[in-house]
Amino acid sequence: GENVEQHPSTLSVQEGDSAVIKCTYSDSASNYFPWYKQELGKRPQLIIDIRSNVGEKKDQRIAVTLNKTAKHFSLHITETQPEDSAVYFCAASRANFGNEKLTFGTGTRLTIIP
Amino acid sequence: GAVVSQHPSRVICKSGTSVKIECRSLDFQATTMFWYRQFPKKSLMLMATSNEGSKATYEQGVEKDKFLINHASLTLSTLTVTSAHPEDSSFYICSAKGTEIATNEKLFFGSGTQLSVL
Repeated sequence: GENVEQHPSTLSVQEGDSAVIKCTYSDSASNYFPWYKQELGKRPQLIIDIRSNVGEKKDQRIAVTLNKTAKHFSLHITETQPEDSAVYFCAASRANFGNEKLTFGTGTRLTIIP
Repeated sequence: GAVVSQHPSRVICKSGTSVKIECRSLDFQATTMFWYRQFPKKSLMLMATSNEGSKATYEQGVEKDKFLINHASLTLSTLTVTSAHPEDSSFYICSAKGTEIATNEKLFFGSGTQLSVL
């Protein structure tokens, strides 16, 4: 089955700086890679996702890059703000409109230092 | 956007009792629902996948007689933790995938249930 590794487990950055979180996956058939933000005791919120037919996607301060050959993808947050502090999870699945399950990474606790 | 409602948000129960958690898709039909378990500061671990009208598919190591899943309609799935014990204490969270184009590619999560077994 799929195995998703995520690094780093914790990350602290100064407000205004950029944060980068990296994930690798093992299943070459995976083609859908979402990123979730989870605050303590809350539900995961989808913040951005990417499919294997593109290499990069951006939404305001958030961007995701995908390298299918190397089987890794990364989340980039620019101009970080205190409200970006949360736990971020990457995930991977074989999404083809069926009931494919998501395999989550181990999470990154991001702390933005004011 | 699509909304998934999960109840209760918090349960405290005595050891040996059973606890039922409900997950409802409010504005879309969910053909597939997933149940996850999350320990403090850990990732989400998939417990089972349920499709409306059929038996759930459990992940390896998850006891199907312990964690009963019912997906009787396109908008409701339930997880029952039977004869709960302290080691079952955890954050349980459901997610749903819909049938329409707008909802069948992404997962929509419930708000989670914090179960504490005394």
